[in-house]
Amino acid sequence: GAVVSQHPSWVICKSGTSVKIECRSLDFQATTMFWYRQFPKQSLMLMATSNEGSKATYEQGVEKDKFLINHASLTLSTLTVTSAHPEDSSFYICSARTGTGLVGTGELFFGEGSRLTVL
Amino acid sequence: AQSVTQPDIHITVSEGASLELRCNYSYGATPYLFWYVQSPGQGLQLLLKYFSGDTLVQGIKGFEAEFKRSQSSFNLRKPSVHWSDAAEYFCAVGARGQGGKLIFGQGTELSVKP
Repeated sequence: GAVVSQHPSWVICKSGTSVKIECRSLDFQATTMFWYRQFPKQSLMLMATSNEGSKATYEQGVEKDKFLINHASLTLSTLTVTSAHPEDSSFYICSARTGTGLVGTGELFFGEGSRLTVL
Repeated sequence: AQSVTQPDIHITVSEGASLELRCNYSYGATPYLFWYVQSPGQGLQLLLKYFSGDTLVQGIKGFEAEFKRSQSSFNLRKPSVHWSDAAEYFCAVGARGQGGKLIFGQGTELSVKP
């Protein structure tokens, strides 16, 4: 199946710094990418939907200035956590979608996740 | 409101025993339903999905799920659990026109006793 890769898989940073997480579709073009946040022992919460070449659509309650999302190409989306604080520590997962057909018809693939720890 | 409920936070079964993980959904449109598995510190792997047609769907690793519209349920089953099945399982719902957005349940952690 298609592969979605996230980098870095884990990162530790100091409070106040910014961290960038990359999500790449390795063998397909992803028209849409999704960013999720997962707290320990909890479910995935959708943060934003990213379409190539346009601004991301953020879910209610997600600070767009805090979590900057860029989808500059059909194979790469980035999530930048700006001025990170300990409460931003979490597991961030991206997923990528091919085409414009029915949702999930083998078209939605998840990355391995990136664990962010802010000290 | 759209929601997915997995009533069981944690389930423990003995290796070789059968398994059923429950999932109930509340969704205004015709739902597309999914089950994913997540190993610790890893991303999600799709086990199976339902869009339409036969309400009993087969997935990978010997899993199956049955869509029951009258009960708004999509329970996951496996006749004989293996120790490697220990993981977190998520039920998710989406729909046509939602652009691939999924709503996830809270997850069920499966432990397997030797």
